Amino acid sequence: SQQGEEDPQALSIQEGENATMNCSYKTSINNLQWYRQNSGRGLVHLILIRSNEREKHSGRLRVTLDTSKKSSSLLITASRAADTASYFCATGRQGAQKLVFGQGTRLTINP
Amino acid sequence: DVKVTQSSRYLVKRTGEKVFLECVQDMDHENMFWYRQDPGLGLRLIYFSYDVKMKEKGDIPEGYSVSREKKERFSLILESASTNQTSMYLCASSLDRSAGELFFGEGSRLTVL
Repeated sequence: SQQGEEDPQALSIQEGENATMNCSYKTSINNLQWYRQNSGRGLVHLILIRSNEREKHSGRLRVTLDTSKKSSSLLITASRAADTASYFCATGRQGAQKLVFGQGTRLTINP
Repeated sequence: DVKVTQSSRYLVKRTGEKVFLECVQDMDHENMFWYRQDPGLGLRLIYFSYDVKMKEKGDIPEGYSVSREKKERFSLILESASTNQTSMYLCASSLDRSAGELFFGEGSRLTVL
C-alpha cells in the first residue's frame, strides 16, 4: 500500500539551479521523511519533519510540510552534480513502526 | 558511525534454490526491516521485526520468511526461489517503535535464473 507519491518522477536541471520535488500522501501522519539513493546503493536518510512542523532546513535542503493538503516538498538549493540520485519520501503514522515509501523522483544534475 | 551490513551485494541463484539474505546492524536497534525494490514499484515492505524472535508481515510476505534469533541479525529466506523474486533487497533498522529514521544497508541484488 503506497502512501506517498512523488512528483515529478524525473527531473533534469543544470548545476547551480534549485531542484524541487513534491510528495503527496493520503492518511494522517506522525512524520514525513526524505531519503536519497545513489544508483545501485542503499537509501540514506536526509531529513525528518514532524506533523506539527511546517518547515525544516538542513544545509542546502529545505523541507516543507502542509498537513492540510497532505503534501511535502524538498528543495535542494544550488544543486551540484553529486546531487544526482533518486529521492524518496516516506511517511510514518502514529503508533506504527514501519514507514511507507513513495516511488521516488530521479534527479539528474547536468554539469 | 551506524552501520547496517548486508552479507552479499550480488547473488545469482537458480529457480527452486533456497536463498538466505543476511543483515547485521551494530546500533542495538529494536526494529529491523526487509524491503524489496523494483523499477516502477518503489520500495515494498516484506517483513519486519520489532524484537528478537518477533516478526510481522509487511505488504508482500508471500514466498518469503524471516528469522531474528539475535537482536543484531535479521535474515530473509526464500524457501524456493522463483524468477519473479529477482530484485534488489534492502535491509534497514530503526531505533524504536516510533516510525523514526531508518538506516539502510547497501542492498543485495538477487538474480534468479
